[in-house]
Amino acid sequence: DVKVTQSSRYLVKRTGEKVFLECVQDMDHENMFWYRQDPGLGLRLIYFSYDVKMKEKGDIPEGYSVSREKKERFSLILESASTNQTSMYLCASSKGTSGSFAEQYFGPGTRLTVT
Amino acid sequence: LAKTTQPISMDSYEGQEVNITCSHNNIATNDYITWYQQFPSQGPRFIIQGYKTKVTNEVASLFIPADRKSSTLSLPRVSLSDTAVYYCLVGDIEGYSTLTFGKGTMLLVSP
Repeated sequence: DVKVTQSSRYLVKRTGEKVFLECVQDMDHENMFWYRQDPGLGLRLIYFSYDVKMKEKGDIPEGYSVSREKKERFSLILESASTNQTSMYLCASSKGTSGSFAEQYFGPGTRLTVT
Repeated sequence: LAKTTQPISMDSYEGQEVNITCSHNNIATNDYITWYQQFPSQGPRFIIQGYKTKVTNEVASLFIPADRKSSTLSLPRVSLSDTAVYYCLVGDIEGYSTLTFGKGTMLLVSP
């Protein structure tokens, strides 16, 4: 059974802290993604990666960075957390084969609160 | 980037067939149509994907007319556990940054 896991379900951080959100997939997928989900706004793509050490900006990359040192792990970094980054963060992965990009497997999400 | 429009919410009863229609008037030649389902406090789950005509799997059917300006997700004989948000996405499945989740359709299934 395919699996995407995220390091925490709930996280509370203070403004200005550096925050790391970790995502691990066990499906040997090439592509990995980070989204945030907010009420009324749907899911918005922050960053994605199609290979180790490769990354591409999504729709809302400001205030975030990512790291992909190993194929199975994709980290989202909030360099200096702010209250407007309070959100549900979702990680996903997909195969790198032709036509598989849209079939993404999602993790359970991390609800981050920045106070 | 093809924009999608779908109803904000729908109501149904157990055992009924539910059809959720999505409009995508400016769909491009290379775009596919993909549907996801999301339960509360969970990540979205891929349901079905198609390019034209009809696609069926064990969960749902997807109907796409010849002009591809809309698509209909059909859920046969829904149960309470089908209560969820359903997202219609349109994009080039080869293109990395063209998958955009809209606000989805909240389907409520009642006994």
